[in-house]
Amino acid sequence: DAGVIQSPRHEVTEMGQEVTLRCKPISGHDYLFWYRQTMMRGLELLIYFNNNVPIDDSGMPEDRFSAKMPNASFSTLKIQPSEPRDSAVYFCASSLLGGTPYNEQFFGPGTRLTVL
Amino acid sequence: AQSVAQPEDQVNVAEGNPLTVKCTYSVSGNPYLFWYVQYPNRGLQFLLKYITGDNLVKGSYGFEAEFNKSQTSFHLKKPSALVSDSALYFCAVRDGGTGGFKTIFGAGTRLFVKA
Repeated sequence: DAGVIQSPRHEVTEMGQEVTLRCKPISGHDYLFWYRQTMMRGLELLIYFNNNVPIDDSGMPEDRFSAKMPNASFSTLKIQPSEPRDSAVYFCASSLLGGTPYNEQFFGPGTRLTVL
Repeated sequence: AQSVAQPEDQVNVAEGNPLTVKCTYSVSGNPYLFWYVQYPNRGLQFLLKYITGDNLVKGSYGFEAEFNKSQTSFHLKKPSALVSDSALYFCAVRDGGTGGFKTIFGAGTRLFVKA
């Protein structure tokens, strides 16, 4: 398996632009997580899905952030409009948790977002 | 609410010496505890986990962790450090009782192993 795939790996954009981050989880995994990592705040959970359904989005910082999972093999995290404080590394992770809640998560390589 | 603390921002150790990276946690139910490692410009990689049973858990790359329920700790250890172990280490906890599938990560501890 190729692991969790994220694209793009790097994104540089200007304030006010729309940004879309993409994630392909490991095939067969039933949970997908989006995290944001910054020096100041560490690793923050933004939202997670179970079988394509959003379960907990309490970590989404503002209405400017939205996430979707239209099918089991694809998810997007969108920021519109983007702001400089959104600059961070965004990670997607997937896991097989149904019936085994103690399984680990598999992380993608991350997308480094810079908003100028 | 569940929480996890890594009291040390950085740990320095000489190659060949034992290393310990500390972690304490708080959950209302039974804890599921994890250690992950992050190398520069990479995603987090799973090292080991505690679910139940034996308090000493063995994981990847020679790492192990000791679960201590009375001290609510889950310290990561390795008998002999390698320079290649230098990385950022994260402790994480999931509340097996009430926390659903949300995993809370610590702030991370940077390990430097000097040759």
